[in-house]
Amino acid sequence: DAGVTQSPTHLIKTRGQQVTLRCSPKSGHDTVSWYQQALGQGPQFIFQYYEEEERQRGNFPDRFSGHQFPNYSSELNVNALLLGDSALYLCASRSPGQGLDYGYTFGSGTRLTVV
Amino acid sequence: AQRVTQPEKLLSVFKGAPVELKCNYSYSGSPELFWYVQYSRQRLQLLLRHISRESIKGFTADLNKGETSFHLKKPFAQEEDSAMYYCALKSFQKLVFGTGTRLLVSP
Repeated sequence: DAGVTQSPTHLIKTRGQQVTLRCSPKSGHDTVSWYQQALGQGPQFIFQYYEEEERQRGNFPDRFSGHQFPNYSSELNVNALLLGDSALYLCASRSPGQGLDYGYTFGSGTRLTVV
Repeated sequence: AQRVTQPEKLLSVFKGAPVELKCNYSYSGSPELFWYVQYSRQRLQLLLRHISRESIKGFTADLNKGETSFHLKKPFAQEEDSAMYYCALKSFQKLVFGTGTRLLVSP
């Protein structure tokens, strides 16, 4: 089992552009969450998807949007990129029968650099 | 507001020395806390949860509601414990992370 798979691993974009990051959850997991980790900071919750709907959202602007597909994979889209969006974006999944108490399985992340 | 504070960015100890990684939280309600660890070139992974009162790799953490703390402890550090450690608080099915503490264990 490959666990949580994220693509691409690295990405460089220009201010104002749009970006799409992808995540495949661990086999058997149906809930996907996205976190942003800026340099020197802990991961910060962006949003969570379950049954193809956004269930919970953190304190991020509408420029950040997402999607979950029937196979549970997910995308994170960021529009009108700002320099401050440069960060490691982490995808995390968990299984339906187990709440957050059992923890997430994290991906390796996508390193986004905005220039 | 929910907040997790890890006051030390870096903790450097010698092998065999005791380790205590500090974590304080702010939460209105009954808190559920976790420690996550990230070893070099590996993914972030769950180390332990306060609700299970478990000991993983010799690490323990006790929730102290009076002091709003959840410090991570190990009596004798090993070189393989060198990693980045994050304290996290569960809030409405999401995690609020601290800024992390890098533990360096020297031989």
